[in-house]
Amino acid sequence: QPVVTQSSSASASLGSSVKLTCTLSSAHSHYIIAWHQQQPGKAPRYLMKVEGSGRFNKGSGIPDRFSGSSSGADRYLSISNLQSEDEAQYYCETWDITTHVFGGGTKLTVL
Amino acid sequence: DVQLVESGGGLVQPGGSLRLSCAASGFIFSDYWMSWVRQAPGKGLEWVANIKRGGGDKFYVDSVRGRFTISRDSAKNSLYLQMNNLRVEDTALYYCAREDDSVDYWGQGTLVTVSS
Repeated sequence: QPVVTQSSSASASLGSSVKLTCTLSSAHSHYIIAWHQQQPGKAPRYLMKVEGSGRFNKGSGIPDRFSGSSSGADRYLSISNLQSEDEAQYYCETWDITTHVFGGGTKLTVL
Repeated sequence: DVQLVESGGGLVQPGGSLRLSCAASGFIFSDYWMSWVRQAPGKGLEWVANIKRGGGDKFYVDSVRGRFTISRDSAKNSLYLQMNNLRVEDTALYYCAREDDSVDYWGQGTLVTVSS
């Protein structure tokens, strides 16, 4: 089954940009992934799907500051003009016919 | 608007049972696969189980297979998770989730605590 790996933490300054990475296992490097945001004390929220081509498809109401991209087995979530409310856990997810898999999450701190 | 509202969580002793429910609204329930995802206190997300649109295919994470059963009732727009032989390590916030390949909508969760 696929495996997705994320760095445990990242930080960036208010108003700056950050790029989070989700890495697929080598046998599954062509898979689509999804990004989810979980603010403290809240349920997760779906952000977007990112394909191996780099194409991304955002959920309803997700600000333009959020975008996706891809390189090889890596899938990225980029956030520009960081706001305080972007401080959250970010999880990537992938799936096949019999399972879904979440990464361990990246805790983003906005300085 | 899509809404997913979970209920049925609570405190149960090890070896006990619990049935979670999820009331869905704002979309055609029968058109979508549905999932349960859980989150242990202070931990990350773990997919638990999912069920096909018509209810025919069901899949589970290894740690719950044989103990948990996912089901759905399209007439009631509801998703269920029957949890038997509960273990301390099943303690978590359980989220109902809609799938459009990936999860694309989440409920607010219902807390299950397994403790003696």
